[in-house]
Amino acid sequence: GDSVTQMEGPVTLSEEAFLTINCTYTATGYPSLFWYVQYPGEGLQLLLKATKADDKGSNKGFEATYRKETTSFHLEKGSVQVSDSAVYFCALKSGLNTGFQKLVFGTGTRLLVSP
Amino acid sequence: DAGVTQSPTHLIKTRGQQVTLRCSPKSGHDTVSWYQQALGQGPQFIFQYYEEEERQRGNFPDRFSGHQFPNYSSELNVNALLLGDSALYLCASTLAGGNYEQYFGPGTRLTVT
Repeated sequence: GDSVTQMEGPVTLSEEAFLTINCTYTATGYPSLFWYVQYPGEGLQLLLKATKADDKGSNKGFEATYRKETTSFHLEKGSVQVSDSAVYFCALKSGLNTGFQKLVFGTGTRLLVSP
Repeated sequence: DAGVTQSPTHLIKTRGQQVTLRCSPKSGHDTVSWYQQALGQGPQFIFQYYEEEERQRGNFPDRFSGHQFPNYSSELNVNALLLGDSALYLCASTLAGGNYEQYFGPGTRLTVT
């Protein structure tokens, strides 16, 4: 079945450092890809998405490019802030041909940014 | 415009008991999905409801059941609770068909002792 693999955390960075969180997927066809963020004690918020190959999703300084050839969707940010500390989940939307789609998530990567 | 709401926020139950969690979808949405997020893990799909019927189901036992009401709100029921059912239960809503975004609620934290 469809699956998502993302790098283990925690990722510990200093403020203004460059961030990369790796994500690769296995899926039938070309699913939509997502990054969600979860702050402590909260639910999931959609950070960005890409629906087809070579699309770049971006939001709040975060970016990720849908790479079909490497089945990857790595999350990047040029300069992290303390407020970016959270858990980041890579996900794909499965079941595109059924009309009833579900999200398949990776295990999450915790990001800790220190001042 | 209210987003997805869930109740209660926290819940503590004893092994063997039954629990019901509730979800109201975002205004205009007709499809509700439930996910289980164990501590330190990513959310796992439990099932999805549309037109008051279960349309898809993940790899969860029959102890997990649900319901959707005519106003599109939904309940998740878990019978014969096990310690391993302790998790954050997330509800997500969307529009059926097409490539619409899922919106998540804040979750219900269930602790089974």
